[in-house]
Amino acid sequence: QTVVTQEPSLTVSPGGTVTLTCASNTGPVSRAHHPNWFQQKPGQAPRPLIYGTTYKHSWTPARFSGSLLGDRAALTLSGVQPEDEADYYCLLYYDGGLRGVFGGGTKVTVL
Amino acid sequence: QVQLVESGGGVLQPGRSLRLSCATSGFSFSDHPMHWVRQAPGKGLEWVAVVSYDGSEKYYGDSVKGRFTLSRDNSKDTLHLQMNSLSPEDTAVYFCVRGLVRGVGSDYWGQGTLVTVAS
Repeated sequence: QTVVTQEPSLTVSPGGTVTLTCASNTGPVSRAHHPNWFQQKPGQAPRPLIYGTTYKHSWTPARFSGSLLGDRAALTLSGVQPEDEADYYCLLYYDGGLRGVFGGGTKVTVL
Repeated sequence: QVQLVESGGGVLQPGRSLRLSCATSGFSFSDHPMHWVRQAPGKGLEWVAVVSYDGSEKYYGDSVKGRFTLSRDNSKDTLHLQMNSLSPEDTAVYFCVRGLVRGVGSDYWGQGTLVTVAS
C-alpha cells in the first residue's frame, strides 16, 4: 500500500518562513511523482497551489513555492500571513502519473 | 467562468448504490481529464479516480477499485461516478475536479456533494 506522509502540524510566526514536506514510502520523491500542493480552509473546497513540483497557478501568491528537498517534495511559505493558516495537502502521482495518493495533511498555525 | 456543480449525494444504507454527477460549464470539457476526490468528515483528502479527456482511460484508487465506475458525457459536459456496494467507509464529501491539459494535476474544484452511508 502506497503511503504519503506529511508533518501533522507546524507553527510559524507572522512574517516567518515554514517548509512543509511530503514523503513516499515507495522511495525518494522525484519530479516523476508530479507533486501537487493544496490549501484548504475550514468549510471550503481545497485550493490548488502548486503542480508539477514547482509550477504555480495564476492565483498562487508569490510567497508560496514548491521544490524537491532531499528525498521529499516541499512547499515553502515565505513571509507568512495570518490568512495562510490552513490545512495543506500534498498529492503524489504513481504508475506514470495515472494514480494519485494524498498525504495526510499538515495543519499550519500562524501564531 | 469555470463551474463544477456536483449532485446526487444523499443518505443511504450499506450495500446500496448511488450515482453522482458533475455538471460543468465555462470551459471546453472535452479537453480536460477529470477527477473525483473525497473527504470523510473531519479527515484528509483521498484521491478516488480519474478519466482521460476522451473517456478512453480510467484509473481508480485502491479503496474503490471494482466498486466505483467513472464515466463522462462530452456531449453534455457532464461527469458521473457510479458507486456500488457502498459501506460506511465511503461516507464523505465527493469533489469533482478539473484536471490540467498540460501537466499532471488539477485546477478547479467543485464545492462537493455529501454521501452518507449508514444503517
